[in-house]
Amino acid sequence: DVKVTQSSRYLVKRTGEKVFLECVQDMDHENMFWYRQDPGLGLRLIYFSYDVKMKEKGDIPEGYSVSREKKERFSLILESASTNQTSMYLCASSLDRGTVETQYFGPGTRLLVL
Amino acid sequence: QQQVKQSPQSLIVQKGGISIINCAYENTAFDYFPWYQQFPGKGPALLIAIRPDVSEKKEGRFTISFNKSAKQFSLHIMDSQPGDSATYFCAATDYSGSARQLTFGSGTQLTVLP
Repeated sequence: DVKVTQSSRYLVKRTGEKVFLECVQDMDHENMFWYRQDPGLGLRLIYFSYDVKMKEKGDIPEGYSVSREKKERFSLILESASTNQTSMYLCASSLDRGTVETQYFGPGTRLLVL
Repeated sequence: QQQVKQSPQSLIVQKGGISIINCAYENTAFDYFPWYQQFPGKGPALLIAIRPDVSEKKEGRFTISFNKSAKQFSLHIMDSQPGDSATYFCAATDYSGSARQLTFGSGTQLTVLP
């Protein structure tokens, strides 16, 4: 079974803090994704990575950055957290770049920025 | 710009009834249409998917109907059960940028009453 784990289930941070969200997958997948989930808006792609050290912007990259130093790990960074970044953050992975493959999701991190 | 529009936002069905969730898309480059199911506290998981060269796909009580000319697809849950209560997301994918990306609908919260 593919397993995608996220470092925290719940996180409370203050405005202006730097926030790190970590994601690890154990199936040697090439692709990894970060989404945020908000009621009525579905899942929106923040960034994705198709290889180590490679990254591409998704639909809503503003205020976020990412890091992928190892194949199994993909980090989402909020350089200076703001209240409008309060949300559920979901990490996902999929096998490779071109084929139609299932995305496997982690359980999510619910972030509250005060 | 929301490329995949999903309705209704919420749905309440009696046990044994039929649940129907509809999605419409704009991008004719989409070539794979999955549905994801998300239970509270969990990440979304692939439920069923269809390619546009077929008009219907059935897996157990779950059926996707696809209308390519109308650019619409829907999920039908037959004999709905309380255990089906979850949030359902339609999605569509194409190969854009450097990898396949999913574009999600806004989600439907399904409640099946016992």
